[in-house]
Amino acid sequence: QSALTQPASVSGSPGQSITISCTGTSSDVGSNKFVSWFQQHPGKVPKLMIYDVSNRPSGVSNRFSGSKSGNTASLTISGLQPEDEADYYCSSYSSGRGVFGTGTKVTVL
Amino acid sequence: QVQLVQSGAEVKKPGSSVKVSCRASGGTFNNDIISWVRQAPGQGLEWMGGIVPVLGIANYAQKFQGRVTMTADKSTSTGYMELSSLRSEDSAVYYCATGHGIYFDYWGQGTLVTVSS
Repeated sequence: QSALTQPASVSGSPGQSITISCTGTSSDVGSNKFVSWFQQHPGKVPKLMIYDVSNRPSGVSNRFSGSKSGNTASLTISGLQPEDEADYYCSSYSSGRGVFGTGTKVTVL
Repeated sequence: QVQLVQSGAEVKKPGSSVKVSCRASGGTFNNDIISWVRQAPGQGLEWMGGIVPVLGIANYAQKFQGRVTMTADKSTSTGYMELSSLRSEDSAVYYCATGHGIYFDYWGQGTLVTVSS
């Protein structure tokens, strides 16, 4: 399985909204609801932010939302805050195998 | 609350093998998928595979087929990932992860594996 495609970087000012795309194929992202998103700060362990395309685990801010259309999933961060500056990875799971996206560095200007 | 504690850092010679352990506490170890993810320095996350301890069945990423073996000891709630024929490109932080269903709610602290002659 090839890595899912994400933009290398996305930036925004505090308070703005940004969207990160995650493009796969009909065999992974487009095949089921098993899409998730992770946030990783430098030197830290990844943190699950979204699962099942659009569900938030307990404790994750409602500023984070997920969606999917066809073979492309998206993560939107609204009301951007300085602590949102991090790397973000999407992930898909199908046929017993997982794959991550290439990763997106989010910069808060 | 599930906690995953991994074994310590390793330095290995090219061509050798490494075995990383991941001990789970606070959850239903047998019924969860224990997955392994690695991250090379400055690079992204890479899914290596996963095992369901109660079934003893593992699925591996095609890239690692033939070189990786994932096992689990139900009696000690410990998962293992062994990678053989190591090369410099295998130098990375290796994470175990688990959670609800196929998701990674909980992560180990990571194990740094350095492959160097």
